[in-house]
Amino acid sequence: GAVVSQHPSRVICKSGTSVKIECRSLDFQATTMFWYRQFPKKSLMLMATSNEGSKATYEQGVEKDKFLINHASLTLSTLTVTSAHPEDSSFYICSARAWTTDTQYFGPGTRLTVL
Amino acid sequence: AQTVTQSQPEMSVQEAETVTLSCTYDTSESNYYLFWYKQPPSRQMILVIRQEAYKQQNATENRFSVNFQKAAKSFSLKISDSQLGDTAMYFCAFMKNRNNDMRFGAGTRLTVKP
Repeated sequence: GAVVSQHPSRVICKSGTSVKIECRSLDFQATTMFWYRQFPKKSLMLMATSNEGSKATYEQGVEKDKFLINHASLTLSTLTVTSAHPEDSSFYICSARAWTTDTQYFGPGTRLTVL
Repeated sequence: AQTVTQSQPEMSVQEAETVTLSCTYDTSESNYYLFWYKQPPSRQMILVIRQEAYKQQNATENRFSVNFQKAAKSFSLKISDSQLGDTAMYFCAFMKNRNNDMRFGAGTRLTVKP
């Protein structure tokens, strides 16, 4: 149980385009989902927290208009990187937590490369 | 703000031996949660072990155990009988309460040598 999927696993896009990453909880209802960014050989940096049906809470320094997060259902959250630039290239990881647990379950991550 | 410090960027251990990874944290909270996550080369984050601060007994999961020293704000991970598959990045994480987000340390890269 407690499986979280992410799609796509890898994406390459041109500078200026937008990219959508999906995060799904497959066998539980995720009342809260988190989006992290990880640079090579670095730790996970929390970007934003989203609760189902409400607006995401962004960490300081994260541009909410650039990284659009939607958590419209209890099993799906999406991160859209708008007008992507090469500096947005990174590994993006989502995690999900049910209201009944204090443990976050992580997706396998998405590697974004912006050319 | 809570901070998590992992002072060992890299460690290595011989197969079948024991290794301890250190983690300290800073908080003014009295109750909270601590975690160790493993990130192998696949980059999938895997929960290794968790500890609730109000529990005095150290958590144990098979070959993995923690030494939780609340007064010292220390949460070290001991891996016994190390296996090649234990080679990974290990992240210590702090969560203030079950409704909060998680904060990660910088990580320790562990290599198990045959």
